[in-house]
Amino acid sequence: DAGITQSPRHKVTETGTPVTLRCHQTENHRYMYWYRQDPGHGLRLIHYSYGVKDTDKGEVSDGYSVSRSKTEDFLLTLESATSSQTSVYFCAISDPGDPPGTQYFGPGTRLTVL
Amino acid sequence: SQKIEQNSEALNIQEGKTATLTCNYTNYSPAYLQWYRQDPGRGPVFLLLIRENEKEKRKERLKVTFDTTLKQSLFHITASQPADSATYLCALGSDNYGQNFVFGPGTRLSVLP
Repeated sequence: DAGITQSPRHKVTETGTPVTLRCHQTENHRYMYWYRQDPGHGLRLIHYSYGVKDTDKGEVSDGYSVSRSKTEDFLLTLESATSSQTSVYFCAISDPGDPPGTQYFGPGTRLTVL
Repeated sequence: SQKIEQNSEALNIQEGKTATLTCNYTNYSPAYLQWYRQDPGRGPVFLLLIRENEKEKRKERLKVTFDTTLKQSLFHITASQPADSATYLCALGSDNYGQNFVFGPGTRLSVLP
């Protein structure tokens, strides 16, 4: 998984609680992404980062926030989890030196919101 | 809105045959198209990239075609093996860094021995 770890790998939480997912990379890649994957929808971009402290919204950003204080770490926070946020979350990285758009994915975090 | 369709949710073929997966898109003008492989419980893994001005790309037993007029890509695995069983995703991009990436829902391929 290209030097990308995600933690936790599995989490069960209750509606209304805050949740933070962590993505850590050892590749020193500039760009980092958070996706969610749901049956029938494919991967959908939540937020991405193009550098330390530089982030932007993706297609499905409502209810999520992100932070990137170091090159290697990208955090995804659900301020108040809802059942619709039950999903598998993937972190990905890319670098300008790679073929355009090529992304390397982490192993995923399975989140269940009860 | 942008839409990507992959020919079927699941495809079963016999070992040794050629698997052909289809990716169709609408309302998008991609600069390139990529194919990824995803195994259960794992993240997607990049396989091949083909640019809008390329008709065909090959890598070992894999071949990808890209027809921007038909708005379609075909992904072929020749001499398929049970180890090729996985879900295959197509993705379209129009920038260098994936911010405008759009993924298809995937096709689950099963190669039967």
